[in-house]
Amino acid sequence: DIQMTQSPSSLSASVGDRVTITCRASQSISDYVNWYQQKVGKAPKLLIYAASNLQSGVPSRFSGSGSGTHFTLSISGLQPEDFATYYCQQSYSTLWTFGQGTKVEIK
Amino acid sequence: QVHLQESGPRLVKPSETLSLTCTVSNGSINSYSWNWVRQTPGKGLEWIGYIYYSGSTNYNPSLMSRVSMSVDTSNNHFSLDVSSVTAGDTAVYFCARGSYFYPSGAYSPDGPAYYLFDYWGQGTLVTVSS
Repeated sequence: DIQMTQSPSSLSASVGDRVTITCRASQSISDYVNWYQQKVGKAPKLLIYAASNLQSGVPSRFSGSGSGTHFTLSISGLQPEDFATYYCQQSYSTLWTFGQGTKVEIK
Repeated sequence: QVHLQESGPRLVKPSETLSLTCTVSNGSINSYSWNWVRQTPGKGLEWIGYIYYSGSTNYNPSLMSRVSMSVDTSNNHFSLDVSSVTAGDTAVYFCARGSYFYPSGAYSPDGPAYYLFDYWGQGTLVTVSS
């Protein structure tokens, strides 16, 4: 299995801050990474696919980058509705796997 | 907007079979793959498997011996069975649509194809307990 490791596990930030979340793959996976946002009691929501492509309807303050084993999700100008847990997911192997999540909390 | 809704028993006894159905509305079940993903506090998000509208399947090897999926294209739903459940199968179960992104705009046998989960059900908590 390809392991996806996110850091940090949680972070505190203020409205307006720029936030960066990192995801590392246990082997090179090119740009086969998706990012999801999950709010409490809700399903994950697709934000970014193929490492850097913004899903339709997702605000442009979200961006993704990376290739190989190192990937980042950035949120520029954090908004109140962005406080949630974020997950990376690899689609390189047909055994899809997720990171353990990064919880973004209000400072 | 495609809508997915899980249904099924919320409480299952140990050693019995967990059965869930996902009904797809505002869209056809054809031409896509349909996934089950579960979530627990301890293991996070775990992909269980998918079934294509054609009926072909791909299961997570860790669950393969106990998992079975089926699809009913006439009624636009697909189903999950997990047999011989234990407390470790207690989780929130999500159904999700799987789609491919082709940078070239269409499938090419030599081109990249990126798989993603673009629509999800709201999730249903299934508890395994006697």
